[in-house]
Amino acid sequence: KQEVTQIPAALSVPEGENLVLNCSFTDSAIYNLQWFRQDPGKGLTSLLLIQSSQREQTSGRLNASLDKSSGRSTLYIAASQPGDSATYLCAVKDNYGQNFVFGPGTRLSVLP
Amino acid sequence: NAGVTQTPKFQVLKTGQSMTLQCAQDMNHEYMSWYRQDPGMGLRLIHYSVGAGITDQGEVPNGYNVSRSTTEDFPLRLLSAAPSQTSVYFCASSYSGSWGYEQYFGPGTRLTVT
Repeated sequence: KQEVTQIPAALSVPEGENLVLNCSFTDSAIYNLQWFRQDPGKGLTSLLLIQSSQREQTSGRLNASLDKSSGRSTLYIAASQPGDSATYLCAVKDNYGQNFVFGPGTRLSVLP
Repeated sequence: NAGVTQTPKFQVLKTGQSMTLQCAQDMNHEYMSWYRQDPGMGLRLIHYSVGAGITDQGEVPNGYNVSRSTTEDFPLRLLSAAPSQTSVYFCASSYSGSWGYEQYFGPGTRLTVT
């Protein structure tokens, strides 16, 4: 059964720092991986989707990488801003089923 | 496009009551799903549908029922509410679950069962 973990559980950084969030999965036979952002009391907003054949995806200050063989993905946020404060979740779709398995999330606080 | 919409935003039920959480999408997505989000447990899949007339169980289906009569709507029914069903419920949709396209989420329904 696919399991997804995220480290760290929480992170606090000063504004302007570059930072990396980690996502690990136990079964490397994945179809794709998606990163989401969730603000308190809100739904999930899709940030980046990486297909299994891709190594990375970029959107603005965000860059997500995927290493299937090691079961890892990282989300890199450049020049962090207070508006980036949120919980970041990764979700993995494997090759066997129809659905995504979510990690528990990393709660990010960017201090002004 | 409104995207994925959910109603109600908040609901309080007494144990044993039943209710339906509504979900609709206007993107013509075949795949729709329901998750619940609990502190320390992350998001867990309740039920999903790969098209009108087709539904299947996810990880935590007990106590919930779904149907999919149209492409747009995917309601979630709580048959007899229990305190363990206190949670935040999210509906999601994508072009086709079997091909794993990007998922879009609704704003959620916060349910409390007393």
